[in-house]
Amino acid sequence: DTAVSQTPKYLVTQMGNDKSIKCEQNLGHDTMYWYKQDSKKFLKIMFSYNNKELIINETVPNRFSPKSPDKAHLNLHINSLELGDSAVYFCASSQDGSGGEQYFGPGTRLTVT
Amino acid sequence: RKEVEQDPGPFNVPEGATVAFNCTYSNSASQSFFWYRQDCRKEPKLLMSVYSSGNEDGRFTAQLNRASQYISLLIRDSKLSDSATYLCVVNTPRGGATNKLIFGTGTLLAVQP
Repeated sequence: DTAVSQTPKYLVTQMGNDKSIKCEQNLGHDTMYWYKQDSKKFLKIMFSYNNKELIINETVPNRFSPKSPDKAHLNLHINSLELGDSAVYFCASSQDGSGGEQYFGPGTRLTVT
Repeated sequence: RKEVEQDPGPFNVPEGATVAFNCTYSNSASQSFFWYRQDCRKEPKLLMSVYSSGNEDGRFTAQLNRASQYISLLIRDSKLSDSATYLCVVNTPRGGATNKLIFGTGTLLAVQP
């Protein structure tokens, strides 16, 4: 049973396109996150939702829009993709937003050409 | 100054060696601390939490020095399977009940046969 799952695992697309990444957790956690890991392996938080409410919104271009239809799902939509968006995007979840252990999905490797 | 700093390595050590990783953090209000492990092209996974009194889990020992804002991880009797990137992670308060995890850039360990 996969605790945190993401689709797709790989995504190759051209500049200017719009794409979405989906994430689901079956751990019953209240809080979910999106992270970006760039080519230098630096893992940086983008967004966090607690019970469908946005609680962390880092300095991210507004081309990135998260959506949480329920507390088990957190999707990421990216408009007008740019070369610099190429990275691995990880979804994660935790019991709550107090900063305890986070469980990560397998990642989505996005390549923009 | 980065919020969490680690020596990026790589650390190349023979099997059976003892290796130590260090990490410093800048926010004195940080409340909890972790070491995560990330294998190549995989997601980060919690290795161990770091407690003020220091804690041990098998061959792994973590230490915290709040006064110096310094965290360490010691691995004894290194195995080939220990080869991975070790991420120092600090829980930073953001006001209210919301915290966020700040990840260091990681230290790459390569254990040689």
